[in-house]
Amino acid sequence: AQSVTQLGSHVSVSEGALVLLRCNYSSSVPPYLFWYVQYPNQGLQLLLKYTSAATLVKGINGFEAEFKKSETSFHLTKPSAHMSDAAEYFCAVLSSGTYKYIFGTGTRLKVLA
Amino acid sequence: GAGVSQSPRYKVAKRGQDVALRCDPISGHVSLFWYQQALGQGPEFLTYFQNEAQLDKSGLPSDRFFAERPEGSVSTLKIQRTQQEDSAVYLCASTPDYQETQYFGPGTRLLVL
Repeated sequence: AQSVTQLGSHVSVSEGALVLLRCNYSSSVPPYLFWYVQYPNQGLQLLLKYTSAATLVKGINGFEAEFKKSETSFHLTKPSAHMSDAAEYFCAVLSSGTYKYIFGTGTRLKVLA
Repeated sequence: GAGVSQSPRYKVAKRGQDVALRCDPISGHVSLFWYQQALGQGPEFLTYFQNEAQLDKSGLPSDRFFAERPEGSVSTLKIQRTQQEDSAVYLCASTPDYQETQYFGPGTRLLVL
């Protein structure tokens, strides 16, 4: 069965520092991959998605993620953290031909002043 | 345009009460999904509709959970005889087609006392 692993349930970075949130998936066939952000008391907002068009995917708010098939990874990065980036981030996988998103357990990002 | 809306945003129920959670998807979206998000966890799939047809209800935790979408637009998730373990955020998502990006509502936070 498909699974998604997000390493680190909590990540703290200083304002202006690099943000790196890790996501690994299990799949024999490259799936569709997504990163969503969830602010307190809000639903999930799509940051970016990978659909096999390009391995480096750029999203909103300066985030990007790189699909690495050899590592089955889809890590999320941002060169310089802002205070407004503090939120929970979820990685999700969607297998080709299916409709069920499988979500990771989430990473809560804290940005320190 | 208007996004996915859900009501109520918060619901407190006494154990044993029935509750009904409403989801208004984006107009024209064929597919609708319900998820359950426990505290500190990622969303977990409950059920999927394509128009008015409920094609998958494999994620519903028990027969106390029931979902409908009678006219292919608004959907209601009903939980009968609520239990404390039903406390969670219930998220609704819609999409133009089953493999497209899912757009999430703000969720309904259910607390069962």
